[in-house]
Amino acid sequence: DVKVTQSSRYLVKRTGEKVFLECVQDMDHENMFWYRQDPGLGLRLIYFSYDVKMKEKGDIPEGYSVSREKKERFSLILESASTNQTSMYLCASSIGQHSGNTIYFGEGSWLTVV
Amino acid sequence: DAKTTQPNSMESNEEEPVHLPCNHSTISGTDYIHWYRQRPSQGPEYVIHGLTSNVNNRMASLAIAEDRKSSTLILHRATLRDAAVYYCILRDGGSNYQLIWGAGTKLIIKP
Repeated sequence: DVKVTQSSRYLVKRTGEKVFLECVQDMDHENMFWYRQDPGLGLRLIYFSYDVKMKEKGDIPEGYSVSREKKERFSLILESASTNQTSMYLCASSIGQHSGNTIYFGEGSWLTVV
Repeated sequence: DAKTTQPNSMESNEEEPVHLPCNHSTISGTDYIHWYRQRPSQGPEYVIHGLTSNVNNRMASLAIAEDRKSSTLILHRATLRDAAVYYCILRDGGSNYQLIWGAGTKLIIKP
């Protein structure tokens, strides 16, 4: 089975802190994604990567950056955390370019910024 | 962009079949229909997907209308573990990453 592992399930950070959310997938997938999920707003794409060192902005990239130095690892960085970034963050991966391919999600990371 | 419409919630009895509808009247010819579900405090889990033909797997069946403007996810025998929010999603055939998420249907299973 494909496994997408997010390093932290629950985090509490202070406003202004730099926050790293790590994600690792074990199926050699080209594509990796970071979403955030908020009640009533559904899943919103933050950033997407289709290859090592490649990234594209999603719908809500402001306040976030990403890093993909190795194929299996995709990191989300909050340079200076703010309270409006309190949310559940979901990492996902998929193979190839075809829109019929399955996207596999991690368990989610619950971030609270105080 | 194509959109999906689902009922907010549905209830079903345990061990009975469940039919979850989804309307996607503006679907384009290359959009795949995906279904995911999400249990509380967990990430979304893949259920099934299809393009034109009906699909079956060990979890569920997907019935796609001939004009592709609607689809139905069928759980043949609901269990308590099937209680979740079910999302009907269109995956844009013109984009590698764009998923168009509906609001989802909260499925409640009564013992």
